[in-house]
Amino acid sequence: QKEVEQNSGPLSVPEGAIASLNCTYSDRGSQSFFWYRQYSGKSPELIMSIYSNGDKEDGRFTAQLNKASQYVSLLIRDSQPSDSATYLCAVNRYGNKLVFGAGTILRVKS
Amino acid sequence: DVKVTQSSRYLVKRTGEKVFLECVQDMDHENMFWYRQDPGLGLRLIYFSYDVKMKEKGDIPEGYSVSREKKERFSLILESASTNQTSMYLCASSPSFRGLAEAFFGQGTRLTVV
Repeated sequence: QKEVEQNSGPLSVPEGAIASLNCTYSDRGSQSFFWYRQYSGKSPELIMSIYSNGDKEDGRFTAQLNKASQYVSLLIRDSQPSDSATYLCAVNRYGNKLVFGAGTILRVKS
Repeated sequence: DVKVTQSSRYLVKRTGEKVFLECVQDMDHENMFWYRQDPGLGLRLIYFSYDVKMKEKGDIPEGYSVSREKKERFSLILESASTNQTSMYLCASSPSFRGLAEAFFGQGTRLTVV
């Protein structure tokens, strides 16, 4: 079982819709969770971090964490074509090892 | 802004060569990481370091070694390059806040082994 799993996609949504990206992790000792966005040919850039159960909102982005179920999700409201990218879920255990999922490709169609 | 700089954007090396990939960060971060990224496989951790001269194996350390003699610099070494090491290599750094801090990435080195 992979430590961090994501649906590879592609996930296609129309412009203005809500995009929902999901991630599950295997290690219950995981403490911090991150969503990175990666455009083609570029390096990953952090868009959200979440550390406790519940929702965290930042502009059009909402991260949701459920430690009991071991999943973390990212919602993108009012999706724009510029949101088209690969979204990487990353999980960090105590001890600083940062592990990534394989990423979900998001395509926003105008 | 945090800056993580990788020494080369593109590299072409021959099979059997010893290859050095260099990474420097300017934010006094304790943690540094080397990943490789391949289509469909995401980022896979090769090695990471949480202090000078300290290192830990990641998920795919075979064929690689690392060196961290100074806090700001983390080197990845391919002892004898092989074609299956053709990949995008990404370096990252993060401060050490009990695993709660995000990582910042360099621009990546696309290595081709021929």
